[in-house]
Amino acid sequence: NAGVTQTPKFRILKIGQSMTLQCTQDMNHNYMYWYRQDPGMGLKLIYYSVGAGITDKGEVPNGYNVSRSTTEDFPLRLELAAPSQTSVYFCASSYSLDRVNTEAFFGQGTRLTVV
Amino acid sequence: QKEVEQNSGPLSVPEGAIASLNCTYSDRGSQSFFWYRQYSGKSPELIMFIYSNGDKEDGRFTAQLNKASQYVSLLIRDSQPSDSATYLCALLKRDSNYQLIWGAGTKLIIKP
Repeated sequence: NAGVTQTPKFRILKIGQSMTLQCTQDMNHNYMYWYRQDPGMGLKLIYYSVGAGITDKGEVPNGYNVSRSTTEDFPLRLELAAPSQTSVYFCASSYSLDRVNTEAFFGQGTRLTVV
Repeated sequence: QKEVEQNSGPLSVPEGAIASLNCTYSDRGSQSFFWYRQYSGKSPELIMFIYSNGDKEDGRFTAQLNKASQYVSLLIRDSQPSDSATYLCALLKRDSNYQLIWGAGTKLIIKP
């Protein structure tokens, strides 16, 4: 089991460029999430998905897009990169056995710098 | 008011002592609570979760939940330098569609 795999680990973008952050999980989890973490801050939810074909906005969705065509993959698209999108991005997945335990498993993160 | 509040620290504790980390929350509809550990430059990993009032112990870690006072804490006994990390508190609300709400984290430093 590889768990949650994110690529790339590091990326520098110029203002106005676009890119896709890849995320795949092999745990057959229905729930997948994209977070961003700014220095000294907690995790802010960008988008999430409760299953293939279903996505929804989180707390900070502006400037991002997602798709979920398969259970395994949940790519995050940045269009027209801006310096405010400089952050560490984490993909996560979870399988909820019940409503009290939803352990999230995280990828290793992508450190993105927009210059 | 933030939904989940944590003191950012750093909290400095001598090796072998008890480290006490606290988290308060504002929504009484919060259902369960999670403590994640995040080493510098790494991703968060779950330490434990709790959803009933009282204490829950797992090895050197004890989570305490007091729903009336709306706080959850994490105690680390016999603190080790390897416990030095940022500890994130997260909660799950009854109607949140499995979205975790995160605190900003407390940085813990264990001094040898």
